[in-house]
Amino acid sequence: NAGVTQTPKFQVLKTGQSMTLQCAQDMNHNSMYWYRQDPGMGLRLIYYSASEGTTDKGEVPNGYNVSRLNKREFSLRLESAAPSQTSVYFCASSEGLWDAYGYTFGSGTRLTVV
Amino acid sequence: AQKVTQAQTEISVVEKEDVTLDCVYETRDTTYYLFWYKQPPSGELVFLIRRNSFDEQNEISGRYSWNFQKSTSSFNFTITASQVVDSAVYFCALSEGSETSGSRLTFGEGTQLTVNP
Repeated sequence: NAGVTQTPKFQVLKTGQSMTLQCAQDMNHNSMYWYRQDPGMGLRLIYYSASEGTTDKGEVPNGYNVSRLNKREFSLRLESAAPSQTSVYFCASSEGLWDAYGYTFGSGTRLTVV
Repeated sequence: AQKVTQAQTEISVVEKEDVTLDCVYETRDTTYYLFWYKQPPSGELVFLIRRNSFDEQNEISGRYSWNFQKSTSSFNFTITASQVVDSAVYFCALSEGSETSGSRLTFGEGTQLTVNP
């Protein structure tokens, strides 16, 4: 099915460990995004990539790095996980146009850092 | 900076009641887009509606309706004759960006709607 695929769906990390969340879309979208969702705070933008080859910080970038590997894939890396990074992470994509109609979201990755 | 406020953290209603979810936004842009998303207990985000800043007509889709008032910077969402399946977290979002930087969504905090049988 067309859409945004995130892996893994669940992950438990120990403080200080590193990991990469993977995201791929097959809709030929230009823009991709990483959000985190915490209770009572909605979804907050971590990083985004307006087009292949570009990345920019969002609202809460500290502790994260991203790579736009190609047009399809946008990964999020936690170099040294902290308990404050326990959250649900959503990847999304859009056509990237200023008046983009739709933002398609992945099903989320539930990350727990102990 | 753009901001979306959903003042109602939680709402609880009895089935068949009408319920309105409030959304107030702040932006300096003259052209912008507003969205509503539904997040059921399964966790995925479901797109409900997109509205551009030049279209203030109210929209109705089945039991759902949206009231966009630019004068008060509000984009409220009403569910008529609510059903248990409407129980979910609902997010209002604002799209910001430019022709050169693309677009990105700013979300409100969400409103947890519980519809009791």
